[in-house]
Amino acid sequence: AQSVAQPEDQVNVAEGNPLTVKCTYSVSGNPYLFWYVQYPNRGLQFLLKYITGDNLVKGSYGFEAEFNKSQTSFHLKKPSALVSDSALYFCAVSHSNTGNQFYFGTGTSLTVIP
Amino acid sequence: DVKVTQSSRYLVKRTGEKVFLECVQDMDHENMFWYRQDPGLGLRLIYFSYDVKMKEKGDIPEGYSVSREKKERFSLILESASTNQTSMYLCTSGTGGFYQPQHFGDGTRLSIL
Repeated sequence: AQSVAQPEDQVNVAEGNPLTVKCTYSVSGNPYLFWYVQYPNRGLQFLLKYITGDNLVKGSYGFEAEFNKSQTSFHLKKPSALVSDSALYFCAVSHSNTGNQFYFGTGTSLTVIP
Repeated sequence: DVKVTQSSRYLVKRTGEKVFLECVQDMDHENMFWYRQDPGLGLRLIYFSYDVKMKEKGDIPEGYSVSREKKERFSLILESASTNQTSMYLCTSGTGGFYQPQHFGDGTRLSIL
């Protein structure tokens, strides 16, 4: 079965420090991986995706993510956190075998402390 | 920019009522999806559609149905609302291809009393 896991429900980080939000996946073959962010009472907004090529992908608002095939991970990172980065983050995976279906993680709530 | 519009941000209904949630997208996308979002469970797929008059069940279709009479509009129907259907409902659209991101509406927070 295809799935994606976000092992941390909550991540706290001080403003200015680097942040990491973890995601692992289990998909047979080559996955397509996405990160989304959700602010309170809003829908999800696309941040970045990995399809193929360079393992480090850059996205919106200074976020980046590293695809690691051997560890089946796709962790979201930012070198210097802002208070405005506080939000709910979702990892998602799709695959050629899933048709157009996407599988979402359970979400990680990020709090950046001033 | 793609715009996905959900007709209501907040909705309160009573058990047993038939409830309609509407979603419209303005980018001529083939694919549209309905998810529900619950704390600790993430997003779960209810139904999706690849084309007009076409629908496919997702992971949790029980108690729901959908309608897609026009390409831009995808409706979710709760046939007889129950309290366990209280949730945040998210509509998305996207182009063909599993490597393209989905575009989300702002959600409808539905409460069933």
